[in-house]
Amino acid sequence: QQQVKQSPQSLIVQKGGISIINCAYENTAFDYFPWYQQFPGKGPALLIAIRPDVSEKKEGRFTISFNKSAKQFSLHIMDSQPGDSATYFCAAITDYKLSFGAGTTVTVRA
Amino acid sequence: NAGVMQNPRHLVRRRGQEARLRCSPMKGHSHVYWYRQLPEEGLKFMVYLQKENIIDESGMPKERFSAEFPKEGPSILRIQQVVRGDSAAYFCASSPSWDASGANVLTFGAGSRLTVL
Repeated sequence: QQQVKQSPQSLIVQKGGISIINCAYENTAFDYFPWYQQFPGKGPALLIAIRPDVSEKKEGRFTISFNKSAKQFSLHIMDSQPGDSATYFCAAITDYKLSFGAGTTVTVRA
Repeated sequence: NAGVMQNPRHLVRRRGQEARLRCSPMKGHSHVYWYRQLPEEGLKFMVYLQKENIIDESGMPKERFSAEFPKEGPSILRIQQVVRGDSAAYFCASSPSWDASGANVLTFGAGSRLTVL
């Protein structure tokens, strides 16, 4: 069973637009929430991460919003660029185990 | 400063053969994790190892799969008598230690893609 549910499965956005990916979890033992970016043929690379006691974290064009009471978190990619075209995975950690969402393939059209 | 090195990058096996996937962690990292990625799915935890110790293999199938991380050399994920359902990308990740604060930053390798004919 998927411990972290991610949506949408794919999205297409115009250059300069905003990409929004949503994730939800059930296990309240999760204590760290990273996002990974994966390009075809490559391994996932850590993009940005947040702790559950923080409601928002921004790094450059990437922002995580976290709603602890709803057990939901999301990634916003502002001013999307063609180079952002990749698959994005949300994840949640308890102890040393990462539980990944199923991934969202983002395509940014020039 | 090489990252996590995995080989082979691509491996083709016939049903019933053995597959051996190797992973060299980043320099200074003593913790290794193996994850499996099926098409259209996220990565699934398989096993967590430290040098000469299996810490958690709860995600690994009980039959045919084994993993090791010897004192010297790379970590090995071994799949015996492969079946078509084993076709997947296998990713290795490493970390310097387990951070009790929860901020475990895993560095992933590029993966080994196993195809079983």
